[in-house]
Parts: sequence; C-alpha cells; structure tokens
Amino acid sequence: QKEVEQNSGPLSVPEGAIASLNCTYSDRGSQSFFWYRQYSGKSPELIMFIYSNGDKEDGRFTAQLNKASQYVSLLIRDSQPSDSATYLCASDSGAGSYQLTFGKGTKLSVIP
Amino acid sequence: EAQVTQNPRYLITVTGKKLTVTCSQNMNHEYMSWYRQDPGLGLRQIYYSMNVEVTDKGDVPEGYKVSRKEKRNFPLILESPSPNQTSLYFCASSISGSTDTQYFGPGTRLTVL
Repeated sequence: QKEVEQNSGPLSVPEGAIASLNCTYSDRGSQSFFWYRQYSGKSPELIMFIYSNGDKEDGRFTAQLNKASQYVSLLIRDSQPSDSATYLCASDSGAGSYQLTFGKGTKLSVIP
Repeated sequence: EAQVTQNPRYLITVTGKKLTVTCSQNMNHEYMSWYRQDPGLGLRQIYYSMNVEVTDKGDVPEGYKVSRKEKRNFPLILESPSPNQTSLYFCASSISGSTDTQYFGPGTRLTVL
C-alpha cells in the first residue's frame, strides 16, 4: 500500500517566519512529488512540484527532495497570514503512472 | 475562463437511491480523476481516466462507477449509495496525466442518510 505521511499539525508560526512542512513517502518507485494548498472550504491548488533531488525555489516557496531518505519538504519564507491553509503532499507511482497518492495534509496557521 | 465544474455542489440523499455527480472541464484535458476527502483520511483517488473510453480504478473504487464518453465530461455514479459514501468529492483534470498540474473542481458535498 503506497503511503504518504505528513504531520497533521496544526503548525503555528509567527508572521515573517519560515514555515517548514515535511512529508515522507513509502513507494521507492515514486518519481514526482507535489505540494498542494487547500484553503478551508476550497479545492486544492498546486503550488510546487519537484522531480529531482535537491532544492527547487519559486518565490517564497522552496521544495526539497531527498529520494534516498524518501523525504519531501516545503519551506515557506516570510510567512504571511494568507499562507494559513492545509498543505497536501502528493506523490505519483512512478514513470508512466496515472495515480496520485496524497498525504492527509498539514494545517498551517500564520499568526499576525 | 478555464475551469472544472461539478454539479451538484451539495446533495443530501437516502441509502440506495442512485445518483450521478457530473464533472466537466473546458481545457481540452485528456486526464480526469475523482477523489473523495474525509476528515482524518485525506484525499483518496476513486477512479481516473487517461482519455475517452479509458478508465481505471484508484485506491477506493468500491461502490462507484465512472464513464468517459466525451473528453470534457467524467461523471461519477453511485448506483446504491450508502452512508459510508458521505464525503466531499472533488473532480480534477490535467493535460495528460497525474504528474501534470491537476486543476480541481469546487467540490460536491454528499450526505447519504
């Protein structure tokens, strides 16, 4: 059974701080990893994806992937109250796969 | 406006009464998928479709059916709904697969009494 594990939180950080969200996955065949943001009562939206080991930066967001440790993380710099949401980590099932497995999500609260 | 639409947005029904939740996308996407989201269980994939007439099971397909007769539409059918299918359902689409950006519909909150 493929699993994606996340700490459910809530994770509270003060405005302007760095928020660090973590995720581990069980399927060593997974190649693509995604971070979706879901505001309360809304649908998920993609904010970052990463395929290669190392860091990938996009504005205030940095995704980190370590395939040896089967670990994915998302850093949010200069956190804003508008970043308060649930963050979902997801992985595919390998090359050519059409399935996506999501973690249960980490709820982030940015305190003004 | 590029979007994924779902109907109905809210539905309360009774056990055993067949229902269909529609999903439509206007982005000419090949890939479409259905998920359910439950507290404590997260988002789980029910079925997905790689193209017209091509569908496959996700992680929790029991009790659901789908069809993909047209590229833009991917309805979810509950032939005999049961209370354990009470959930928030999301349809999503992407250009060609799960590794492309998936665009989610607004969700359908289903209650089965």
